[in-house]
Amino acid sequence: GAGVSQSPRYKVAKRGQDVALRCDPISGHVSLFWYQQALGQGPEFLTYFQNEAQLDKSGLPSDRFFAERPEGSVSTLKIQRTQQEDSAVYLCASSLESDGGSNTGELFFGEGSRLTVL
Amino acid sequence: KQEVTQIPAALSVPEGENLVLNCSFTDSAIYNLQWFRQDPGKGLTSLLLIQSSQREQTSGRLNASLDKSSGRSTLYIAASQPGDSATYLCAVRGDSNYQLIWGAGTKLIIKP
Repeated sequence: GAGVSQSPRYKVAKRGQDVALRCDPISGHVSLFWYQQALGQGPEFLTYFQNEAQLDKSGLPSDRFFAERPEGSVSTLKIQRTQQEDSAVYLCASSLESDGGSNTGELFFGEGSRLTVL
Repeated sequence: KQEVTQIPAALSVPEGENLVLNCSFTDSAIYNLQWFRQDPGKGLTSLLLIQSSQREQTSGRLNASLDKSSGRSTLYIAASQPGDSATYLCAVRGDSNYQLIWGAGTKLIIKP
């Protein structure tokens, strides 16, 4: 596709439910990031993939959060047993460079998946 | 730990005015600093990136400056237009990693 695509755009979950958020990066992009953005705040880093390898998952807030990118393209962020504090917009970004766009700033964001946990 | 602050949190000005958005960071050991724009319900769009060795970058009506020693960056918008209304975020990248540390943003409203 032309840009980074995320689905679903909106998800309402009851507390305790599991959710899965999908990210389709730009074709051929090596680096993929997940960020969490609470209302009125800047994004917070969750995890980083280089192709299929998850190089950094230090930002995942708990073991209820899990991300994968098994074939080096589409990525899924899974949240188990959702809690109200998980309510946020989850942003996916991709970059052609293996350094995640560190030098060029070429980092492309999707429109996000807004999760509301009731 | 790097912390990024943006002031003001919100700004409303009449169309045509020149304006300055501020970003400050606590650790001067940065690799680069980037300004993004976020429209409601949309993703983030990169506006300008300034490498740590640079003092400023320009793109059209936008000019971003960087003063590493004082831990500050400014985004200057000339001749503002209603289409500039958005939230502007700055993000810094540390010396040794690819993670971006973000400010909370400045919500800008340009009144016609």
